[in-house]
Amino acid sequence: DAKTTQPTSMDCAEGRAANLPCNHSTISGNEYVYWYRQIHSQGPQYIIHGLKNNETNEMASLIITEDRKSSTLILPHATLRDTAVYYCIVRVANRGGADGLTFGKGTHLIIQP
Amino acid sequence: KAGVTQTPRYLIKTRGQQVTLSCSPISGHRSVSWYQQTPGQGLQFLFEYFSETQRNKGNFPGRFSGRQFSNSRSEMNVSTLELGDSALYLCASSLGDYRNEQFFGPGTRLTVL
Repeated sequence: DAKTTQPTSMDCAEGRAANLPCNHSTISGNEYVYWYRQIHSQGPQYIIHGLKNNETNEMASLIITEDRKSSTLILPHATLRDTAVYYCIVRVANRGGADGLTFGKGTHLIIQP
Repeated sequence: KAGVTQTPRYLIKTRGQQVTLSCSPISGHRSVSWYQQTPGQGLQFLFEYFSETQRNKGNFPGRFSGRQFSNSRSEMNVSTLELGDSALYLCASSLGDYRNEQFFGPGTRLTVL
């Protein structure tokens, strides 16, 4: 799986959009970008994933650059409950199964009131 | 739909003992993965079971083992516990197909004294 680079921590004001960057310059053509988050003392939570088109769901939007070497997770209206560690993971999605995810250090997003 | 459940939530053992942790996946999910989370090493993949067979394995010693039953419930066993095995053990379930969207349980906090 391609390596990812994320900032260690970020702050965002409540109600504003939180934009979390991820660099994956060695991504391969068949690798997807996944985002998970982990709120303190809970298990990780799936947020969104994408291949090359931008994706949006009820939780967030995922913007992937045209060269696919970086992406941004956008939480449109951050709330205090969005304070968590956010993990960007790059991996092949068609391995025929859900084998292990490789979690890096992630970005600790702190939403300020 | 009920989420992933793990039992027990907390466990205290002493060195040399063995422990068994249990995970019940989301109904209809056939894949169960196990992860270990420690402050030093972060989230690390242990193994994945699909249709009662271990399909993928991380880089952990043989003291860590698991199994899956016909109803997809899974157990993880750690024998000859060491102090370094103190961790949060997370279970994740998924459909086991290409999508890799995994749903995590709350975890079992194991403390080895």
